[in-house]
Amino acid sequence: QSALTQPASVSGSPGQSITISCTGTTNDVGGYNYVSWYQQHPGKAPKLMIYDVSYRPSGVSNRFSGSKSGNTASLTISGLQAEDEADYYCNSYTSSSTLNFGGGTKLTVL
Amino acid sequence: EVQLVESGGGLVKPGGSLRLSCAASGFTFSSYSMNWVRQAPGKGLEWVSSISRSSSYIYYADSLKGRFIISRDNAKNSVFLQMNSLRAEDTAVYYCARSDIELDQYYFDYWGRGTLVTVSS
Repeated sequence: QSALTQPASVSGSPGQSITISCTGTTNDVGGYNYVSWYQQHPGKAPKLMIYDVSYRPSGVSNRFSGSKSGNTASLTISGLQAEDEADYYCNSYTSSSTLNFGGGTKLTVL
Repeated sequence: EVQLVESGGGLVKPGGSLRLSCAASGFTFSSYSMNWVRQAPGKGLEWVSSISRSSSYIYYADSLKGRFIISRDNAKNSVFLQMNSLRAEDTAVYYCARSDIELDQYYFDYWGRGTLVTVSS
């Protein structure tokens, strides 16, 4: 299975909004509403930020939101803060009953 | 508090074997699926394997080609990953993570801190 496609890096200034895309196929992102997003700070374990395309776990800031259109899912972070600087990964369930991560996106807060 | 603690990592020669363990606490272990996810140094996350609550459903990444075996012991609140015929490209931090595939919850809501596996001669 090929990794889902994410931009290698995105950046934004404090207070701005950014969007990270995650592109797959009809066999994964486009075929199921089982897309999740993870935040990972250096040397730390990943943290669940969004599940089932657009749901936020308890305790995750409402500055984080998710959406999907066709074969592309998106994570939007509004009101950027310095602590948001991290790597972000998308993940999707696939038609083979497996799970597939994106290659990851490094977010830099300028 | 949910806790997942991995162990069993270390240095192993190419072609060797290693068994990872993940001890769970703070939740009803037998009511959740469990997973292994790995991350090679400086690289992204890679899903490795999932096992359902009673081990009825087991899934692996195609790239493993039958070298890894996932199992669990609900009496001991533990999940395991037996890794055989190890290669240099298996070098990674291996994370244990919780999900619930039987409720169509295909996301990882809790993660351990990981255990490092290094395959080198």
